[in-house]
Amino acid sequence: GAVVSQHPSWVICKSGTSVKIECRSLDFQATTMFWYRQFPKQSLMLMATSNEGSKATYEQGVEKDKFLINHASLTLSTLTVTSAHPEDSSFYICSARPGLAARTDTQYFGPGTRLTVL
Amino acid sequence: DAKTTQPPSMDCAEGRAANLPCNHSTISGNEYVYWYRQIHSQGPQYIIHGLKNNETNEMASLIITEDRKSSTLILPHATLRDTAVYYCIVRDRNTGKLIFGQGTTLQVKP
Repeated sequence: GAVVSQHPSWVICKSGTSVKIECRSLDFQATTMFWYRQFPKQSLMLMATSNEGSKATYEQGVEKDKFLINHASLTLSTLTVTSAHPEDSSFYICSARPGLAARTDTQYFGPGTRLTVL
Repeated sequence: DAKTTQPPSMDCAEGRAANLPCNHSTISGNEYVYWYRQIHSQGPQYIIHGLKNNETNEMASLIITEDRKSSTLILPHATLRDTAVYYCIVRDRNTGKLIFGQGTTLQVKP
């Protein structure tokens, strides 16, 4: 159980285009989902927290107009990288947490999406 | 900022126990310690978590000191497939966020 999927697993796009990444919890309902990104040889950096039916909360330094997050259902969150540029090339990883107990519920991660912007 | 300190790298012989230490001296009384690992180019995989008591599951054991300022993740019989970056994380008590540090790169050698 507790499987999180992401689609696509990798994407290559031209500079200036927008890219949408989907994150799904397959066997549980996720009231909260998180988006991270990871540059080569670095650790994961939390970008934003999304709660189903409400606006996402972004970490300091993350542009909310560039990284649009939608969490329209309890099993799906999407991250749209708008007007992507080469510096947005990264490994984007989502995670999902079932339930409402923020302090104790385990968070499960998706396999990640490799974005390359040419 | 991450609330934990881990050695950057460790080696372990295949078949032997791997003991990965973690310091979390500023942990609060109701904050949990979580361990995840990340194999190259994959999403992090949940291993185990604990609050005060030692915990064991099919993957590993977690030993937390009585003062809760440090913990050790034990992989009882390491295999080559256990080669990964291991992250020890103190979960934020209010938001539940997981803030990743640099982790420990464990290399299991034949």
